[in-house]
Amino acid sequence: NAGVTQTPKFRILKIGQSMTLQCTQDMNHNYMYWYRQDPGMGLKLIYYSVGAGITDKGEVPNGYNVSRSTTEDFPLRLELAAPSQTSVYFCASSSGGGQPQHFGDGTRLSIL
Amino acid sequence: QKEVEQDPGPLSVPEGAIVSLNCTYSNSAFQYFMWYRQYSRKGPELLMYTYSSGNKEDGRFTAQVDKSSKYISLFIRDSQPSDSATYLCAIRDSGAGSYQLTFGKGTKLSVIP
Repeated sequence: NAGVTQTPKFRILKIGQSMTLQCTQDMNHNYMYWYRQDPGMGLKLIYYSVGAGITDKGEVPNGYNVSRSTTEDFPLRLELAAPSQTSVYFCASSSGGGQPQHFGDGTRLSIL
Repeated sequence: QKEVEQDPGPLSVPEGAIVSLNCTYSNSAFQYFMWYRQYSRKGPELLMYTYSSGNKEDGRFTAQVDKSSKYISLFIRDSQPSDSATYLCAIRDSGAGSYQLTFGKGTKLSVIP
């Protein structure tokens, strides 16, 4: 029972590079979320999706893009990496909007 | 005023102690309350989920909600070294279209053998 799987676990990028953080879940959850966690700052919602083909902005969406073509996958795209995007990124899913969210183990991203 | 306040600690207790972790919130619309445990270099793991005032117990863990005071607590009885982690409170409002959780900053707990 894999739950929510994120890849890669670690990545170092140069300023201006782009990359996609992958997230997949095997629980058939309609709702998926992307958060960033900065030291001492708690978790902030970047984007979320309520089903395939439907996405919406969270609290801190600038500099990121998402797509949701299948129920299982919810990739997060960084187009022009900036040092302010150095963070730990978590993907989560839930069976409903009010249901508890289940998290992956994160992607640690450093931008130098 | 921040929406959810949580003392970041760190909190260090001896094995077997009772631990009390707390969050306060300002938004009366918050109706759903969660506690997550996060081990180092891991994702948050759901511990407790409740939507009513009062206590909810699960093994050594008790979640307490006081909506009148806008105060939530997590108690850990007979604490173990394996409880050493960061504990995050998370709160959601009752709006039908609201999916966003508001997280506290987390309290880092160390249980010393």
